[in-house]
Amino acid sequence: ETGVTQSPTHLIKTRGQQVTLRCSSQSGHNTVSWYQQALGQGPQFIFQYYREEENGRGNFPPRFSGLQFPNYSSELNVNALELDDSALYLCASSFFLDPRNEQFFGPGTRLTVL
Amino acid sequence: SQQGEEDPQALSIQEGENATMNCSYKTSINNLQWYRQNSGRGLVHLILIRSNEREKHSGRLRVTLDTSKKSSSLLITASRAADTASYFCATEGVNNFNKFYFGSGTKLNVKP
Repeated sequence: ETGVTQSPTHLIKTRGQQVTLRCSSQSGHNTVSWYQQALGQGPQFIFQYYREEENGRGNFPPRFSGLQFPNYSSELNVNALELDDSALYLCASSFFLDPRNEQFFGPGTRLTVL
Repeated sequence: SQQGEEDPQALSIQEGENATMNCSYKTSINNLQWYRQNSGRGLVHLILIRSNEREKHSGRLRVTLDTSKKSSSLLITASRAADTASYFCATEGVNNFNKFYFGSGTKLNVKP
């Protein structure tokens, strides 16, 4: 098991609502990346946070936003939820510029949008 | 997109047999990693191979990388029922340090 935790485990929302997902990174890590994994697909990179700022973004609209806190934990916020936002959301923590390029994934939050 | 694509999409073998999965990608990479995922939960890192390496071993895993063909393969030898999972390759692009792009995965079923 990694030291990365995510909350909540499961979440059900309706279209148009807003949701906040949380991630606590592994001790010693300063970078958090978020991924969306639709059923039967591979994870898709949403964005990464380093030093409390967004450090790269995938092909996701602005209604996907995030925060990183001084303790390196992170939040993913999604506004105006759509049915297609139903997915497993994974966060991964790492140490920026670690030559081993290791990322450690949390267990994920499964979001269902009705 | 530099997203990797795995082949085959699904693979079913008997315990003790070898399993080979392939991954192709589109752009130049720093490294390629393989992950395992059980039952749609968190991903477990298996092995990393850098762009200047051609082959790596870790226990029953063997990974090859051919940068000229932009492809990689993962071989699991002497498979076990516990190896049943989805396997993904993930690439880190040359200008995308520490950001990984995953393929759609190979679903491996090892029958006891």
